[in-house]
Amino acid sequence: GAGVSQSPSNKVTEKGKDVELRCDPISGHTALYWYRQRLGQGLEFLIYFQGNSAPDKSGLPSDRFSAERTGESVSTLTIQRTQQEDSAVYLCASSLPPQGWAEAFFGQGTRLTVV
Amino acid sequence: AQTVTQSQPEMSVQEAETVTLSCTYDTSESDYYLFWYKQPPSRQMILVIRQEAYKQQNATENRFSVNFQKAAKSFSLKISDSQLGDAAMYFCAYRSPYSGGGADGLTFGKGTHLIIQP
Repeated sequence: GAGVSQSPSNKVTEKGKDVELRCDPISGHTALYWYRQRLGQGLEFLIYFQGNSAPDKSGLPSDRFSAERTGESVSTLTIQRTQQEDSAVYLCASSLPPQGWAEAFFGQGTRLTVV
Repeated sequence: AQTVTQSQPEMSVQEAETVTLSCTYDTSESDYYLFWYKQPPSRQMILVIRQEAYKQQNATENRFSVNFQKAAKSFSLKISDSQLGDAAMYFCAYRSPYSGGGADGLTFGKGTHLIIQP
């Protein structure tokens, strides 16, 4: 596609359920980032993928959070046993390898509401 | 690790006036990239303007320009002739060319909420 695509756009889930968020990056973008944005807050780094290298998971807040990416394609962010504090917008961004400009292009995010 | 600070949680400006959003950063690197992103209510982060640290000339994109002061580690955004469509959250971001990405590769400030008064 022409841009970064995220689905679903909105997700309401019950506390304790698992959710899976999807990010489809721009074709050819080897770098992929996941961020969490709580209401009225800035972007909180979660995880970074670069090609076939081991991902940087240093931002994942707990072991309930995990993410996968196959090669340079789609990524999924999974949150197990969701809690109310997980409610936020989850943004995905992709870019060319982090050399030179490597501008990050963002999707529209998934708004997750845990009730 | 680098840090990016936006000290203005909210700014308000009259339509057609000029407003400046501030951003400072902390780094030990000599070369890097700086960005301003706009996030309207649609949540889509849109790149507004970018600056490469080794270029002394301030970047300009139509009504948007930056005042890049490398020694002071300051990267402010000036919006001229403000329009209602400029209302959004604005995020300043730093990208390191050396870290290879990840947590230290792309660092954002906490954002400034810009309100345009008609």
